[in-house]
Amino acid sequence: AQSVTQLGSHVSVSEGALVLLRCNYSSSVPPYLFWYVQYPNQGLQLLLKYTSAATLVKGINGFEAEFKKSETSFHLTKPSAHMRDAAEYFCAVSPGGYQKVTFGTGTKLQVIP
Amino acid sequence: DADVTQTPRNRITKTGKRIMLECSQTKGHDRMYWYRQDPGLGLRLIYYSFDVKDINKGEISDGYSVSRQAQAKFSLSLESAIPNQTALYFCATSDFNRELAGMYQETQYFGPGTRLLVL
Repeated sequence: AQSVTQLGSHVSVSEGALVLLRCNYSSSVPPYLFWYVQYPNQGLQLLLKYTSAATLVKGINGFEAEFKKSETSFHLTKPSAHMRDAAEYFCAVSPGGYQKVTFGTGTKLQVIP
Repeated sequence: DADVTQTPRNRITKTGKRIMLECSQTKGHDRMYWYRQDPGLGLRLIYYSFDVKDINKGEISDGYSVSRQAQAKFSLSLESAIPNQTALYFCATSDFNRELAGMYQETQYFGPGTRLLVL
């Protein structure tokens, strides 16, 4: 069985501040991990994915995430928040194949001017 | 033009009615998926299809059916809608790199969603 926990359903940061969105997972096999972003009234867009090639994964829009096996974490970070980053972010885990993916409950990011 | 389109974008229906949500894609992908999104629950998989002849149930398929009319089209039906099917529904497609089948090489693309309200 696999699961994903996103800590904090809402996160607020000031424009220009560090963004840190937390994701912890459990998986009985080496996992594939994903971060998606959902802008208002839009579908999900893949930000980045971890497939065991490198523990630090760089994605679009300046986001990156680091896979830490010892902590079972895959936190999403961005050094400097921009107003356009305001959206909902979903972490997801899979043992392989999107038919087996489990999504987290999402974290809404608010960016304060 | 969008690669994955969904129609309608919004729908209000009554309990007991049959409705169909449609999804079309121009990406040429074999794999297609239907999810529902509920506040605080994330996304949950309803059905998925690896090709026109291969359709499979996801984790919450009860009360739903699907039809894969062509590689590009994957429809979701609610045979008799009920209020707890009120949700945001997403279609998605994914590619799959057969040459790198030893490693998971697949990216998923989502449509804009259909907001369904069942009264």
